[in-house]
Amino acid sequence: DVKVTQSSRYLVKRTGEKVFLECVQDMDHENMFWYRQDPGLGLRLIYFSYDVKMKEKGDIPEGYSVSREKKERFSLILESASTNQTSMYLCASSLSGLAGGRWGNEQFFGPGTRLTVL
Amino acid sequence: KNEVEQSPQNLTAQEGEFITINCSYSVGISALHWLQQHPGGGIVSLFMLSSGKKKHGRLIATINIQEKHSSLHITASHPRDSAVYICAVRRNTGNQFYFGTGTSLTVIP
Repeated sequence: DVKVTQSSRYLVKRTGEKVFLECVQDMDHENMFWYRQDPGLGLRLIYFSYDVKMKEKGDIPEGYSVSREKKERFSLILESASTNQTSMYLCASSLSGLAGGRWGNEQFFGPGTRLTVL
Repeated sequence: KNEVEQSPQNLTAQEGEFITINCSYSVGISALHWLQQHPGGGIVSLFMLSSGKKKHGRLIATINIQEKHSSLHITASHPRDSAVYICAVRRNTGNQFYFGTGTSLTVIP
């Protein structure tokens, strides 16, 4: 079974702090994603990566950065946390491949990190 | 306007009822996903569709590419089906993935 793990289930930080959210997958997936989920807005893509050291901006990259130094690990960084970044953060991974193109393949999600910024 | 619209937003059903959740989208797609999220839990992928129909147990998903519409059906619903069901599409140009806001289903014993 694919396993996607996230470093914390719950996290409380103060405004201005630097925050690291870690995601690790154990199935050698090429693609990894970071989303945030807010009530009434659904999931929104922050950043994704299709290979080591490769990244692309999603719909809402402002205030975030990412790092992918190893294939299995994708980190989301909040350089200076703000209260409007209080949210549920979800990591996902998927295989690359021809079926449906790179982004058509099934995504496997981690359990999520609920971040509160005070 | 959202690229993906789901209906209904909330749904309450009696155990055993047949349930339908609808998803309409406005962009050209290469694949559509149905996802399930239990309260406090992570998200599980139920189906990935690019045409036709798929069935897993009591769950059936259909897609009509011409009408830009998909449905998720649950037969003989059970309280353990209570969850949020999310429709997501991958656009056929570029790398965008769009998500609906979800349908919250409660099945009452």
